[in-house]
Amino acid sequence: EAGVAQSPRYKIIEKRQSVAFWCNPISGHATLYWYQQILGQGPKLLIQFQNNGVVDDSQLPKDRFSAERLKGVDSTLKIQPAKLEDSAVYLCASSLWRRETQYFGPGTRLLVL
Amino acid sequence: AQTVTQSQPEMSVQEAETVTLSCTYDTSENNYYLFWYKQPPSRQMILVIRQEAYKQQNATENRFSVNFQKAAKSFSLKISDSQLGDTAMYFCSLETSGSRLTFGEGTQLTVNP
Repeated sequence: EAGVAQSPRYKIIEKRQSVAFWCNPISGHATLYWYQQILGQGPKLLIQFQNNGVVDDSQLPKDRFSAERLKGVDSTLKIQPAKLEDSAVYLCASSLWRRETQYFGPGTRLLVL
Repeated sequence: AQTVTQSQPEMSVQEAETVTLSCTYDTSENNYYLFWYKQPPSRQMILVIRQEAYKQQNATENRFSVNFQKAAKSFSLKISDSQLGDTAMYFCSLETSGSRLTFGEGTQLTVNP
């Protein structure tokens, strides 16, 4: 069974630029999550989708971050404009349904200069 | 609000020996799940073990087992017969009704040859 795929694996941008990350969940998984992991910390949930609807985006900085999950499969997370403090690893996870075990992708490491 | 605390930032163990990682948590909910995830230098989060709060029996998974003390809100991970490949950051996490994972700060485990 293929795991959660993410791209790109690494991205370096300058502050005030925009960036987008892509995630393809495990086939058949209805729930998709985006986490932000700052160096030295545990991951923090940014947004949770159930199929193509948003379930929880309470910790998403909506003035600069946006995410979508069209057709209830792939998802993109965008940052515009980026700030220095956005430097982190962005992890995508998926689960069969809510309250089921979450499986993580390899992450995208973002460095904002 | 949910919190997860890992009080050991770093631990080390000799190969083939046993080590225990500590975790305490706080939640007002009765129906929740606890997890230990492993994150090697590749940054991929890998599920180690899962415990349902309603189950009194401690979960085990090969060399990994937990000591779940619900009243004390404690959830420790025991790794037996430690192997070099166990070297990683270990995160304790809590999932409540919102299906949001709350992570601790992590414990860096080093297995020495």
